[in-house]
Amino acid sequence: RKEVEQDPGPFNVPEGATVAFNCTYSNSASQSFFWYRQDCRKEPKLLMSVYSSGNEDGRFTAQLNRASQYISLLIRDSKLSDSATYLCVVNVGGGKLIFGQGTELSVKP
Amino acid sequence: DGGITQSPKYLFRKEGQNVTLSCEQNLNHDAMYWYRQDPGQGLRLIYYSQIVNDFQKGDIAEGYSVSREKKESFPLTVTSAQKNPTAFYLCASTERGRRNTDTQYFGPGTRLTVL
Repeated sequence: RKEVEQDPGPFNVPEGATVAFNCTYSNSASQSFFWYRQDCRKEPKLLMSVYSSGNEDGRFTAQLNRASQYISLLIRDSKLSDSATYLCVVNVGGGKLIFGQGTELSVKP
Repeated sequence: DGGITQSPKYLFRKEGQNVTLSCEQNLNHDAMYWYRQDPGQGLRLIYYSQIVNDFQKGDIAEGYSVSREKKESFPLTVTSAQKNPTAFYLCASTERGRRNTDTQYFGPGTRLTVL
């Protein structure tokens, strides 16, 4: 079993749609959680950290369920510019982060 | 401007040659990392360093070497022992936030192609 697993993509959605990505992790001692966005042939960029209470940043909402070892990212009112690969990232301690394989999103007009 | 720089952006080498990828940061971050990304895959950790003059192997360290003589610099050498070195190499450094969240920031990457 992979340490961090994400929904296999790609997700193809129309503009304005709501889309949700899921991620599970295997290490119950994981300390912190993130979503990164990666555009084609570019470096990953931090989208948002994920806190236990859940957090929202504009159209983006991240949630964490420690009991189920599950993280989610919800994007509302999708824009063309949201098209990218979304990476789920887990801090397993000791300065080490584990990246999921990514879920590709394509938003169409 | 503060940030992480990697050079070169594209690198071509012949099989059997060692090559060194540069990574510099002026963010005053203590920890630095090297990842490898292959097409359609996530990032895999090669080496990381949490402090000057110390570093640890990641999940795929074979065929790679690093040094950390200065806080700002963490060069990666891809040796001829690395069986499949063609990939996108990403360097990152870590800021320790108030919530101890270890937010990680990336350089623009180096695309290495071995011919």
